[in-house]
Amino acid sequence: DTGVSQDPRHKITKRGQNVTFRCDPISEHNRLYWYRQTLGQGPEFLTYFQNEAQLEKSRLLSDRFSAERPKGSFSTLEIQRTEQGDSAMYLCASRTDGTHEQYFGPGTRLTVT
Amino acid sequence: QQQVKQSPQSLIVQKGGISIINCAYENTAFDYFPWYQQFPGKGPALLIAIRPDVSEKKEGRFTISFNKSAKQFSLHIMDSQPGDSATYFCANTTYSGAGSYQLTFGKGTKLSVIP
Repeated sequence: DTGVSQDPRHKITKRGQNVTFRCDPISEHNRLYWYRQTLGQGPEFLTYFQNEAQLEKSRLLSDRFSAERPKGSFSTLEIQRTEQGDSAMYLCASRTDGTHEQYFGPGTRLTVT
Repeated sequence: QQQVKQSPQSLIVQKGGISIINCAYENTAFDYFPWYQQFPGKGPALLIAIRPDVSEKKEGRFTISFNKSAKQFSLHIMDSQPGDSATYFCANTTYSGAGSYQLTFGKGTKLSVIP
């Protein structure tokens, strides 16, 4: 069990650019979450996948954000036309059926300049 | 979004002392309340969780106490150590009907354990 991994760990981009983050959940975890954490705050829910299906999206997920989990394994989160307000830590978490324990990855720190 | 109110915002404890962090929630979709520990630059790590069929759960130096009628739960860290210095988050569970059971977090408590 290698845990949840995320790539890249850090991303610096200029305003208006597109960025994409990747999350690899714990193997056999079919449920995957994306959260966003800003400085001094707790993580906030963005979106949820069960296998390859995206079943829930938060109001925080504007139309500039899109997430996919094409084969029910890894997931990507893309932000188009980044804004300075998108600067945050993007966290991925996973869990398996029958449990409520969510395990988080190390996060991707995005800085928009 | 359902709120979870966490206090204190920061806490300084002497080594060997007891650290106590409190959380209160408005409503919960499911009776599962986890605590996460986060070090700077790292993701949150699941520390301990409780389901309120019990009022207390202990794992090593960490204990969760739960008061369902008051909608409050707390984390106690016994014999606090400098290595416990981190930010601690409580959470409750929100269920939308889509099976998500996403977590709603408090704002965190920054714990500093001084030698």
